[in-house]
Amino acid sequence: AQSVTQLDSHVSVSEGTPVLLRCNYSSSYSPSLFWYVQHPNKGLQLLLKYTSAATLVKGINGFEAEFKKSETSFHLTKPSAHMSDAAEYFCVVSQNTGNQFYFGTGTSLTVIP
Amino acid sequence: ETGVTQTPRHLVMGMTNKKSLKCEQHLGHNAMYWYKQSAKKPLELMFVYNFKEQTENNSVPSRFSPECPNSSHLFLHLHTLQPEDSALYLCASSQERSSGLDSYEQYFGPGTRLTVT
Repeated sequence: AQSVTQLDSHVSVSEGTPVLLRCNYSSSYSPSLFWYVQHPNKGLQLLLKYTSAATLVKGINGFEAEFKKSETSFHLTKPSAHMSDAAEYFCVVSQNTGNQFYFGTGTSLTVIP
Repeated sequence: ETGVTQTPRHLVMGMTNKKSLKCEQHLGHNAMYWYKQSAKKPLELMFVYNFKEQTENNSVPSRFSPECPNSSHLFLHLHTLQPEDSALYLCASSQERSSGLDSYEQYFGPGTRLTVT
C-alpha cells in the first residue's frame, strides 16, 4: 500500500532563511516521489521528481529534495526563502505500475518579510 | 502555461442545473484525471481514464458523470449537485505508465472553481 504523510500542516519562515518541508512515505515497491506547489486559486505545478536515479533531486525555483530510503523520507528544502514561495506544497508518491498517485494533505508555507 | 486547460475557470450553478466542465491537454498524454479539492481536505481522486477507458471511479456519486471522447479531452458532467459539491475541480494528465517512458508525472490544469447555490 502507498501513502504519504506530510509532517507539518503549516510552516512559517522569515524571508532569506532556509525552508524545510517534511514528507514521509510508505510504499511496497520502489516508489516515484514528487513535490508540487499550488499558489492560491491555481492548479498544481511540478517542483521536482524522484524516479530511482540520483537521490538528491534539484527542482525549479531553487528547491531540492533528498530521497532517503532508510528513513522513507523525501523532504523538500530551499536555502533561502523568497516571498513568492508562499504557497501550498504537496508531496506525492506513486508506484512504478499503474496510474495511482497518492497525495499528502499539504503543507502551507508562509514567508514573513 | 502547463499545457492543460480547463473551462470555465469559475462556475456558479443552482442545485437543479446541468452543466459541464471541460479539460483539454496539449501534451500528447494518454491518461487523464479528475480531482476534487475542498477547503481543509486532502485532494480527492474522482476518475481516471487511460486511453479513453475509465479505470478508476472512487465511489463518486452519480450526479458526477465523466466523459472522455479521446485522449486529449475530458469532461465532467454535473447535474442536481449539492452545496457540499462546491470545490475546486482539477484536471490532470500524464503518460500512461506502461508506455515505458521514464516521465509520467501529472500535469495539472488551473482548475474550475465551482459554487453550488
